[in-house]
Amino acid sequence: GAVVSQHPSWVICKSGTSVKIECRSLDFQATTMFWYRQFPKQSLMLMATSNEGSKATYEQGVEKDKFLINHASLTLSTLTVTSAHPEDSSFYICSVESREGRHEQYFGPGTRLTVT
Amino acid sequence: AQTVTQSQPEMSVQEAETVTLSCTYDTSESDYYLFWYKQPPSRQMILVIRQEAYKQQNATENRFSVNFQKAAKSFSLKISDSQLGDAAMYFCAYRGYGNKLVFGAGTILRVKS
Repeated sequence: GAVVSQHPSWVICKSGTSVKIECRSLDFQATTMFWYRQFPKQSLMLMATSNEGSKATYEQGVEKDKFLINHASLTLSTLTVTSAHPEDSSFYICSVESREGRHEQYFGPGTRLTVT
Repeated sequence: AQTVTQSQPEMSVQEAETVTLSCTYDTSESDYYLFWYKQPPSRQMILVIRQEAYKQQNATENRFSVNFQKAAKSFSLKISDSQLGDAAMYFCAYRGYGNKLVFGAGTILRVKS
């Protein structure tokens, strides 16, 4: 399976500031990456699909101006939470889909964001 | 839109015993993929097993196997010889014609020693 990394693994920021989370596909080029949000003991909620070289596709109800996604290369996608507020505190996970036609998604280890 | 339902919020199993986690889904698509993912306390999502809808044979991966009933839209996961390391949140997921995964609400599995 694919190896996906995320950085940072956890971050604490003050309300009103912005924070950037990186997602890297380490062993193959990913034209598509996915960003999820997960609250404790709940399921993963897809926020957006990140497409290399084009704009991300956001799910209904996700503010694209607040959650900026940039897929600048075939191995890197970033999620920037702008003007963060305490309600943005959550666990953010990225994933890539296997390119061998198996349609599996491989997930990064996640980033815990706490906004104070 | 496709939906995935996991009706068991929590399950418990004795070590070395067998447990079955339930999953049903709703779709009008004829070709799709189904997955079970495990999320241990580390929160790293791990693929457990996958099933192609066009295959009648149930997928197996070592101690993990599925019971795929396409007509009933059911996709249960059986864990045999349960181990303490199996304790985790398990998610059933569906992938249809689009490239998005649709997840169920999850089932917390507790393994008793």
